[in-house]
Amino acid sequence: EVQVVESGGGLVQPGGSLRLSCAASGFTFSSHWMTWVRQAPGKGLEWVANINEDGTVKQYVDSVKGRFTISRDNAENSLYLEMNSLRADDTAVYYCAREEVDSSGFDYWGQGTVVTVSS
Amino acid sequence: QSVLTQSLSASGTPGQRVTISCSGSSSNIGSKSVYWYQQIPGTAPKLLIYKNNQRPSGVPDRFSGSKSGTSASLAISGLRSEDEADYYCATWDASLGAWVFGGGTKLTVL
Repeated sequence: EVQVVESGGGLVQPGGSLRLSCAASGFTFSSHWMTWVRQAPGKGLEWVANINEDGTVKQYVDSVKGRFTISRDNAENSLYLEMNSLRADDTAVYYCAREEVDSSGFDYWGQGTVVTVSS
Repeated sequence: QSVLTQSLSASGTPGQRVTISCSGSSSNIGSKSVYWYQQIPGTAPKLLIYKNNQRPSGVPDRFSGSKSGTSASLAISGLRSEDEADYYCATWDASLGAWVFGGGTKLTVL
């Protein structure tokens, strides 16, 4: 069974840092792009970043460029999101999702981890 | 302000057919595939349609997608109470170099 499970969320002060993790199982992790999507309270979905199969290509939404870093460890079947210089508008549920091969969409999502940036 | 424009809400009665639209531009919908996601409040999004009109296994054929020019639509026929959810369109935007989502449409089954 394909599963992705996020962890690492919490309460952090503005300007602080947090590292999110996503543990994948039930599929060949190293064969898939992986993505982070977030959803602010009461708002819609916003794509944050993605990474290709071997970690050599990383793409980010403009609002997090220079502050967030996506990475992966294929040996550990894990995806990460290092978040620095956090702002109040980064407060959201952060979802990890698998990108199906052949551009067939984000087909498996985790349950999300909550990040709250507040003093 | 989302790059992709969706109506805020839609509604229908059980058994009816409803359509949700998504409007974009030449740098996104006009040149890229469209995806649709269903999100029941409090749960993770679920892939409903990929590559404009393809359904993942397990998605009922009551759900269908289409695209024309810089707009796309999701149609739900034989509306059921469990279809009450938020629906999001998404695509890659070549100008932004990013995936973009519509603002979401809240579907109410009356």
